[in-house]
Amino acid sequence: GQNIDQPTEMTATEGAIVQINCTYQTSGFNGLFWYQQHAGEAPTFLSYNVLDGLEEKGRFSSFLSRSKGYSYLLLKELQMKDSASYLCAVREGTGFQKLVFGTGTRLLVSP
Amino acid sequence: KAGVTQTPRYLIKTRGQQVTLSCSPISGHRSVSWYQQTPGQGLQFLFEYFSETQRNKGNFPGRFSGRQFSNSRSEMNVSTLELGDSALYLCASSESGTGEEKLFFGSGTQLSVL
Repeated sequence: GQNIDQPTEMTATEGAIVQINCTYQTSGFNGLFWYQQHAGEAPTFLSYNVLDGLEEKGRFSSFLSRSKGYSYLLLKELQMKDSASYLCAVREGTGFQKLVFGTGTRLLVSP
Repeated sequence: KAGVTQTPRYLIKTRGQQVTLSCSPISGHRSVSWYQQTPGQGLQFLFEYFSETQRNKGNFPGRFSGRQFSNSRSEMNVSTLELGDSALYLCASSESGTGEEKLFFGSGTQLSVL
């Protein structure tokens, strides 16, 4: 099985940088996803890592270290609209679509 | 393209009843998976369907079941509802459910069991 850990809540200031960490223990690993979910809305895809290293996409970057079972999501130039929950998920296995999610990190951006 | 559509948006049921939730995936997507989201547990995988076949199932009791139709639309059913079944049920679709495909989620069905 899988165990995904991420902080429950974080706060940051508009314009700042925040890093949301995710650690995982896995019996099978086939990629790591980050999703953003605003209250009452559907989760939306942010990033995907399957190889070690950093993936950058605008203000958002995601890093993966498979040997350490560790990933982080980096958000730069924070905006008020970034206040949301950020979900770390590991894809388990191949040949089917199954993600194992952490409980999510609620980020509050203040002015 | 239209996104993933889930109906109904809200449901209120009483213990012991059964409920059916519906999901229409993005056009062309053949993989549909279902997740239960609760504040304490986060998103938990229920099951995944591809071409009308269940490919994988999570650790939920047999009261939770699903199916997929030939047009890829999917339904999930929960029988003999319990208070603990109150949750947001999310449906997600992807083209083939393999590789590095991302999941596209619907807005969910909020189920309240009284």
